[in-house]
Amino acid sequence: GAGVSQSPSNKVTEKGKDVELRCDPISGHTALYWYRQRLGQGLEFLIYFQGNSAPDKSGLPSDRFSAERTGESVSTLTIQRTQQEDSAVYLCASSRLGAGVIYGYTFGSGTRLTVV
Amino acid sequence: DQQVKQNSPSLSVQEGRISILNCDYTNSMFDYFLWYKKYPAEGPTFLISISSIKDKNEDGRFTVFLNKSAKHLSLHIVPSQPGDSAVYFCAAPAYGGSQGNLIFGKGTKLSVKP
Repeated sequence: GAGVSQSPSNKVTEKGKDVELRCDPISGHTALYWYRQRLGQGLEFLIYFQGNSAPDKSGLPSDRFSAERTGESVSTLTIQRTQQEDSAVYLCASSRLGAGVIYGYTFGSGTRLTVV
Repeated sequence: DQQVKQNSPSLSVQEGRISILNCDYTNSMFDYFLWYKKYPAEGPTFLISISSIKDKNEDGRFTVFLNKSAKHLSLHIVPSQPGDSAVYFCAAPAYGGSQGNLIFGKGTKLSVKP
């Protein structure tokens, strides 16, 4: 597609449940990023997939968070045993490898996760 | 310590005038800075970037100035238009981290009044 697609756009889940968020990057973009934005805060780095290299997982806040990427396409972010502090907008972005810093990323519209 | 700070949560400007959005950072080793714009219910959109070897970068109505000695950068929008009303984020790649790890400020909400 023309842009980065994320689904679902909104998700309400009960505390303790697992959730899976999906991201379809722009075709040809080998780098994929996950960020989150909690209310009133800036964007917070979670994980970065860089082509076929090992991902940078340094931003994942706990072992309840994990992410996978299938080749150079779809990525899923999984949050297990959700907590209320996980409530945030989860943003996915993609870029051509090596170009993200200079030319910026293309972000999706995000998934708004609410844990009740 | 690696932080990017936007100390003004909001800014209101009259259409046609200049908007100046400010950003401070703590780590002198940051080598690149980016500005993003975000409309409600949309993802951030890349605006402009600047390398630390430069002190100015211009793209149309948008100019970013970098003052390394003060660890300060600013985004100038001239002339401001109502469509510029959005939240603006300043960001820098984490030093020593992967290029995927951007550190963002909390944003400044710009309102341009007709």
